[in-house]
Amino acid sequence: GQQVMQIPQYQHVQEGEDFTTYCNSSTTLSNIQWYKQRPGGHPVFLIQLVKSGEVKKQKRLTFQFGEAKKNSSLHITATQTTDVGTYFCAGLLIYNQGGKLIFGQGTELSVKP
Amino acid sequence: GAGVSQSPSNKVTEKGKDVELRCDPISGHTALYWYRQRLGQGLEFLIYFQGNSAPDKSGLPSDRFSAERTGESVSTLTIQRTQQEDSAVYLCASRPGPPTGNTEAFFGQGTRLTVV
Repeated sequence: GQQVMQIPQYQHVQEGEDFTTYCNSSTTLSNIQWYKQRPGGHPVFLIQLVKSGEVKKQKRLTFQFGEAKKNSSLHITATQTTDVGTYFCAGLLIYNQGGKLIFGQGTELSVKP
Repeated sequence: GAGVSQSPSNKVTEKGKDVELRCDPISGHTALYWYRQRLGQGLEFLIYFQGNSAPDKSGLPSDRFSAERTGESVSTLTIQRTQQEDSAVYLCASRPGPPTGNTEAFFGQGTRLTVV
């Protein structure tokens, strides 16, 4: 079946350091979405990328979608303690007039002040 | 309602009992998903409903798991003869439907299931 792999599983950084998580799909995706889950919370949507090679920025966060639409990355510049949480990518496979969302395993980010 | 609502928020059950989890999606959302999240783990896809199409059940781990959805409204996830490995948070999410699939998913707060 369709799989979305995400690495690393954990990342511990000092506040101010950068952070990157990578996502790879076994199949070509219609789009890719990124979510953040704070400890004890539920996943909350951050952004979606649709076009091949697309790059989007949200303040200190930079999201990329690969040319083949099978991989993606999220980069956080100068992490802050508020960035703590687990970041998930989710690949969207469009069919049935809708779309099946398959999540990666997530990268748990901890930030030491 | 304003968001995706799941009930109960917590459920403790004895091994071997059946449980039913409920999800109320956002009104008008035609796509509905169930995921399982074990402690410290990722979101494991269980089932996907889209409008009146046949659901995608490819993620259900065994025949003890089943789910139903009435039209484009409430969904229930049923686990029969619960086992300790079923202990997890069960998350429901909904998304708007066609004509475009490029929309975000909104999650409920989840049901924390503990099988003792």
